[in-house]
Amino acid sequence: DGGITQSPKYLFRKEGQNVTLSCEQNLNHDAMYWYRQDPGQGLRLIYYSQIVNDFQKGDIAEGYSVSREKKESFPLTVTSAQKNPTAFYLCASSIRTGEIPQHFGDGTRLSIL
Amino acid sequence: GENVEQHPSTLSVQEGDSAVIKCTYSDSASNYFPWYKQELGKRPQLIIDIRSNVGEKKDQRIAVTLNKTAKHFSLHITETQPEDSAVYFCAASMDGANNLFFGTGTRLTVIP
Repeated sequence: DGGITQSPKYLFRKEGQNVTLSCEQNLNHDAMYWYRQDPGQGLRLIYYSQIVNDFQKGDIAEGYSVSREKKESFPLTVTSAQKNPTAFYLCASSIRTGEIPQHFGDGTRLSIL
Repeated sequence: GENVEQHPSTLSVQEGDSAVIKCTYSDSASNYFPWYKQELGKRPQLIIDIRSNVGEKKDQRIAVTLNKTAKHFSLHITETQPEDSAVYFCAASMDGANNLFFGTGTRLTVIP
């Protein structure tokens, strides 16, 4: 059954700590995306990757980092520089570059301890 | 950049009634407008979309209309059912772009 798997479902971060959110897809999609969702707001793009070993900043990249070493994996690291990390994080993918995200993962809810 | 506004933020309707959610966009270059349904704590799911060369599109109880001149588009749900209760997001994009610009969402509650 093809899709996007995000883990963990819930994550807690201590002050000054970096945490990494996992996103894996078995759809053979070229492009992958990370969005942040806050209450009462739409999704905002953090980073996207069109191809392995390449990624671009989205609208709110500060305090986040990503890597794309494999086509199926696009982990997001929330660094200590992100002062307000509490949010719902969604990973998405599209078949090829230049297409909008078509599939979303179930999300990871990150909270501050 | 693109700015998408969505209204209302909350909407309650009686089961069987219709629901309408409206969005406006700012960038006349946008030409693709998807709608997503998101249940609590779940992933957004694409329910219908429309391109700028079409004025209206229907899929069973759901329809979307687009007015390019006024730069607004709307989602219409007829004969609402309790399982339609969710948050609905509109979005705008353009061919070749890598981003979707989302509205702030509408929480629809269908009262049995």
